[in-house]
Amino acid sequence: QQQVKQSPQSLIVQKGGIPIINCAYENTAFDYFPWYQQFPGKGPALLIAIRPDVSEKKEGRFTISFNKSAKQFSLHIMDSQPGDSATYFCAASSTGAQKLVFGQGTRLTINP
Amino acid sequence: GAVVSQHPSRVICKSGTSVKIECRSLDFQATTMFWYRQFPKQSLMLMATSNEGSKATYEQGVEKDKFLINHASLTLSTLTVTSAHPEDSSFYICSARRPGNSDTIYFGEGSWLTVV
Repeated sequence: QQQVKQSPQSLIVQKGGIPIINCAYENTAFDYFPWYQQFPGKGPALLIAIRPDVSEKKEGRFTISFNKSAKQFSLHIMDSQPGDSATYFCAASSTGAQKLVFGQGTRLTINP
Repeated sequence: GAVVSQHPSRVICKSGTSVKIECRSLDFQATTMFWYRQFPKQSLMLMATSNEGSKATYEQGVEKDKFLINHASLTLSTLTVTSAHPEDSSFYICSARRPGNSDTIYFGEGSWLTVV
C-alpha cells in the first residue's frame, strides 16, 4: 500500500530523445509527487513536483504527467542531453504523513 | 545553491569508534528532518524522522541505540553512528522539510562513511 513502483530500472536514450520514466502507486491518500535527480556521490536534488489537482506540470525541459484514475505519474525529459545522465527517483507523500516514499530509481544514460 | 548542508562529506573511522554527521538547513527553519541510508545503486532507505525538540521516530529495523539522532535546533540535526562497524559503511543523506510549502523536501549532499 505504501509502495511506489518505478520503471524502467535503467534507460538509454540518444541525445535529443525523450526519455520517459513511469511510477505507479496504490495509496490514494498520496497527494504530493516529486521527482529527484541524483548524480553519483551526491544527494538527490528536487527536479519538479506535482499535486493531483493538475494532470501535467512543466518546468523547463522536464514535464510530469499525472493520471489520477490510473494512479500513475511519469517524468518526460525533452531534448535530452548527456548532462541529464543520472539516477531519477519518483516519490510520493500524503499531507500530514511527513515522509516520502521513494521509487526504486531509474538509471538514465543519454548517449551523445 | 544548496539549502541543506551536510558535514562531513566524507569520513573514515576505525571500527568501534563513533562518528557524528551534521545536517543544517541553511536558509529556513526545519521542524522536521529525515535521515536516509543509501547503498550503491539502490534507492534511499529512510532511517528516521527527526523532529525539533522531541525524540526521533525510527523506521522498523533501525537500531535507535546505534544511530543516535539529535535535533536540538530548528536548523541542525545530527546523526551519530555509535560503535561503528564495517557494515555501517554507507552513504548517509539527510533532508529537511521547508515550512510554508509543507511537502517540499530538500536533500543534503550526503556523507560517505567508511569504517575500517
